[in-house]
Amino acid sequence: GAVVSQHPSRVICKSGTSVKIECRSLDFQATTMFWYRQFPKKSLMLMATSNEGSKATYEQGVEKDKFLINHASLTLSTLTVTSAHPEDSSFYICSARSSIGTQYFGPGTRLLVL
Amino acid sequence: SQQGEEDPQALSIQEGENATMNCSYKTSINNLQWYRQNSGRGLVHLILIRSNEREKHSGRLRVTLDTSKKSSSLLITASRAADTASYFCATDAAGANSKLTFGKGITLSVRP
Repeated sequence: GAVVSQHPSRVICKSGTSVKIECRSLDFQATTMFWYRQFPKKSLMLMATSNEGSKATYEQGVEKDKFLINHASLTLSTLTVTSAHPEDSSFYICSARSSIGTQYFGPGTRLLVL
Repeated sequence: SQQGEEDPQALSIQEGENATMNCSYKTSINNLQWYRQNSGRGLVHLILIRSNEREKHSGRLRVTLDTSKKSSSLLITASRAADTASYFCATDAAGANSKLTFGKGITLSVRP
């Protein structure tokens, strides 16, 4: 199956710092990528839809200035958590949608803000 | 808001038995996808079934879709301990700006 990578896989940072997470589709081009957040033993909650070459579409309740998304190319989307706080600690997962509609997910990034 | 709702929420079976998981949804869909997630890991795509399909097979997996009842089922035959994971259904809603909406997931435990 298609491969989506995320980097870093785990990050620990101090409160107030910004953290960038990269999501790459390795063997296909993805005009649309998605960013999800998952709390322990919970389902995935869609944060935003990232469209190559245009602004991201954020879900209701997600602060766009807090979670900056850039989809610079057909294979790369980045999520920057700005001025991170402990409540931002979570598991962040990206996905990339193939031309036939299948979404392939990255391995996730575990963020811990101290 | 979450559209897919799986049941049961947790399922524990003996190795070798079959596991059946159900998913219901509310709105019209383009397709429905099942995913698997091992603890602390990303999601692994299992199978996609389109709205005009009724059944699909992939190895030990069998997925059905009943659009009249807005429900789907995932059957894992001859389960193995390695099948222990959380399973999610996700619906891709009809419309121009489609996006996946996930259910709460089912925790499957397969006892060796």
